[in-house]
Amino acid sequence: AQKITQTQPGMFVQEKEAVTLDCTYDTSDPSYGLFWYKQPSSGEMIFLIYQGSYDQQNATEGRYSLNFQKARKSANLVISASQLGDSAMYFCAMREPNTGTASKLTFGTGTRLQVTL
Amino acid sequence: GAVVSQHPSRVICKSGTSVKIECRSLDFQATTMFWYRQFPKQSLMLMATSNEGSKATYEQGVEKDKFLINHASLTLSTLTVTSAHPEDSSFYICSASTPNRNEKLFFGSGTQLSVL
Repeated sequence: AQKITQTQPGMFVQEKEAVTLDCTYDTSDPSYGLFWYKQPSSGEMIFLIYQGSYDQQNATEGRYSLNFQKARKSANLVISASQLGDSAMYFCAMREPNTGTASKLTFGTGTRLQVTL
Repeated sequence: GAVVSQHPSRVICKSGTSVKIECRSLDFQATTMFWYRQFPKQSLMLMATSNEGSKATYEQGVEKDKFLINHASLTLSTLTVTSAHPEDSSFYICSASTPNRNEKLFFGSGTQLSVL
């Protein structure tokens, strides 16, 4: 069985500072994918970053980077130079083992990030 | 990039009526789409996997007769909430996968359903 854990229900960060959102996962499958999504108050789910279990390097996408520690089963999201527009819910998700052309995601409970002036 | 369109964004209906929600992949063919449900301040819970040309696969505890899913083409999946009741009020969101299975899932903008 898979499990995604986000232990921070809410986080505050000052504008222009960096923030780390925690995510740990549990799976017995060697092949998996980890995702981070941003959900603003409008409800849409915005893809931020992806890390494959076999990727040698940590994923980066602009101001977003994923601190992937496989042995610890953690995939923390780091947002650098926070902006007011980063205020939103952030979800960590794991893709189940590939079963064809697409795989479903299991989501964590989310972290609400509030960026302050 | 790939885009998924979901309509309507918001619907209010009377108890007992049925509501149809559409999910379209705009610039790619999606053989598989997923339907999620999200209660306020909670995470997304997978309801079902929609497969083009075949029956949907429902998650445990999801009523097949209540939530009808049709995936008639490679770009369109629909979720129909039949005989809606107030407890069905929720945020419903679909997603579709690009052909490269190792890549990201794209989500629609979601539908807020309110049943009076």
